[in-house]
Amino acid sequence: SYVLTQPLSVSVAPGQTAKITCGGNKIGSKSVYWYQQKPGQAPVVVVSEDSDRPSGIRERFSGSTSGDTATLTISRVEGGDEADYYCQVWDSVSYHVVFGGGTKLTVL
Amino acid sequence: EVQLVESGGGLVQPGGSLRLSCAASGFTFSTNDMHWVRQATGKGLEWVSGIGRGGNTYYQASVRGRFTISRENARKSLYLQMYSLRAEDTAVYYCVKVGPRGGFDYWGQGILVTVSS
Repeated sequence: SYVLTQPLSVSVAPGQTAKITCGGNKIGSKSVYWYQQKPGQAPVVVVSEDSDRPSGIRERFSGSTSGDTATLTISRVEGGDEADYYCQVWDSVSYHVVFGGGTKLTVL
Repeated sequence: EVQLVESGGGLVQPGGSLRLSCAASGFTFSTNDMHWVRQATGKGLEWVSGIGRGGNTYYQASVRGRFTISRENARKSLYLQMYSLRAEDTAVYYCVKVGPRGGFDYWGQGILVTVSS
């Protein structure tokens, strides 16, 4: 089965740039989605199809993919960005949805 | 406004059954794929099952044969019938809608299922 690997945690100071990676075999050939989940809340999609921002999501959130790695980049990090972030793809072979294990973003 | 409201959760003994429902509003339910995603306390997101607009169904390996997903377009409702429940099925279950770009663009508030004696 397809596996997505994320770092458990990423820490960044306010105003700096956070990069959260998601590794998967040939992930660059798949559409990647990124979700933000704050404590006690349902997830919210922040990046669709690798790099598109849904309506209402701030420009500070961006996504990219290359080879076996997808990256969520959060520019000018704010305290309100502190959350868990998950990557997700569709495994078109099995039509299974696959989530990464999640990364906890801490704003120092 | 899109709304997804889950119901039917609760405490059930191991080996028991439970049926989750999701009432949808604010969009054309019949033309959208729908899924269930769960999250155990302190753990990550785990996909459970999905159903296409045409009725095709898909299951994660650990629930296949025990869970059944279905939809009733006239009632704008999604269901998850769960049998032979195990302790490891304990989680918050989210009803989710697939968006035009393929990701999950709307999530319900989640409903807790606890499997324990």
